[in-house]
Amino acid sequence: GNSVTQMEGPVTLSEEAFLTINCTYTATGYPSLFWYVQYPGEGLQLLLKATKADDKGSNKGFEATYRKETTSFHLEKGSVQVSDSAVYFCALTARNSGNTPLVFGKGTRLSVIA
Amino acid sequence: DAGITQSPRHKVTETGTPVTLRCHQTENHRYMYWYRQDPGHGLRLIHYSYGVKDTDKGEVSDGYSVSRSKTEDFLLTLESATSSQTSVYFCAISEGGQGYEQYFGPGTRLTVT
Repeated sequence: GNSVTQMEGPVTLSEEAFLTINCTYTATGYPSLFWYVQYPGEGLQLLLKATKADDKGSNKGFEATYRKETTSFHLEKGSVQVSDSAVYFCALTARNSGNTPLVFGKGTRLSVIA
Repeated sequence: DAGITQSPRHKVTETGTPVTLRCHQTENHRYMYWYRQDPGHGLRLIHYSYGVKDTDKGEVSDGYSVSRSKTEDFLLTLESATSSQTSVYFCAISEGGQGYEQYFGPGTRLTVT
């Protein structure tokens, strides 16, 4: 079946540090890949997405590249801010899965300290 | 922000009582979903709908039922609440099924005592 594995947290970084959150997936066919962010007390928000191999999604300084050869979609940011503290979820939806919705990783909590 | 509201936002109820959570959208999206979020489990799909009166089960559907009589409303019912159903419940919508991103509501925190 389809699945997403993302690195365990929590991740604690100092402000302006480089961020990488690893995400790998298993899917038949060609999935679309997503990163969602959840700020404290809120619902999930779409951060970025990529729909085919070698696509790069980007938003708010975050980037992730769809790597079919390594089945990965790692999230990166060059310089994190305290306001980036949140839980980040990697997710996929697979084109061969009919109506089935997103499959999520378990989330990675990021804390950025000043 | 996508027009999704959930009600109530917080609820405390007793074991054995029925509970209904409501999700309302103003986007006219075809697909609607109910998830629960628990520490260590991420988000898990309970039920989803791909049209009015068309619903299907997710991975954790036991003890839950849903109904969708109008495009804009998707109801989640706990027939007889148990303490294991204490959780945060999120509704989501999307224009399509596979390949489409979802937009999430603000969540309902349910406590079953």
